[in-house]
Amino acid sequence: DTGVSQNPRHKITKRGQNVTFRCDPISEHNRLYWYRQTLGQGPEFLTYFQNEAQLEKSRLLSDRFSAERPKGSFSTLEIQRTEQGDSAMYLCASSPVGLNQPQHFGDGTRLSIL
Amino acid sequence: AQSVTQLDSQVPVFEEAPVELRCNYSSSVSVYLFWYVQYPNQGLQLLLKYLSGSTLVESINGFEAEFNKSQTSFHLRKPSVHISDTAEYFCAVSDLERGGADGLTFGKGTHLIIQP
Repeated sequence: DTGVSQNPRHKITKRGQNVTFRCDPISEHNRLYWYRQTLGQGPEFLTYFQNEAQLEKSRLLSDRFSAERPKGSFSTLEIQRTEQGDSAMYLCASSPVGLNQPQHFGDGTRLSIL
Repeated sequence: AQSVTQLDSQVPVFEEAPVELRCNYSSSVSVYLFWYVQYPNQGLQLLLKYLSGSTLVESINGFEAEFNKSQTSFHLRKPSVHISDTAEYFCAVSDLERGGADGLTFGKGTHLIIQP
């Protein structure tokens, strides 16, 4: 069990640029979640996948945000035309399918918008 | 809709003293309850969880939490804290009817500061 892996750990970009983050879940986990955490707040749920199907995406913050999990393994979160308010920690979590399964979190990608 | 309230944003405690971190939740459905701990520049680590059964749940490092349905609370306690317990602690809930197959709703967190 190598844990949930997120890359990059830090991303600095200029306002208006597009950014993409990658998440590799624990290998046997079918469910994958994305959260955003701003300073002084708890994580805020964005979207989740079961295998390659995106089963909840209504909580994505705007149409500039999108996520994919094309082969049911790793996932990417893309933010287009970044804004200052997008600066945050983006966390990925995974869990097995089934009742009562807790989510395991990666160390996150910290996004800074200049 | 669910919400989680962590009443204290910061709790300073002397080393070896007891501590209680408070968590109250609001939900129209039954929930699962979790405590996560976050060390600086890291992701969240599961500390303990309440799913069903005994209302008192324990972690391997001495923390415990008690589910109180009538008070809609899930307070976290430790009888004697160590300097290494300094971290941010998050209480979270999950909709039981969706079998946990949904996002967690987190509180704003409590920063536990252990003073030597």
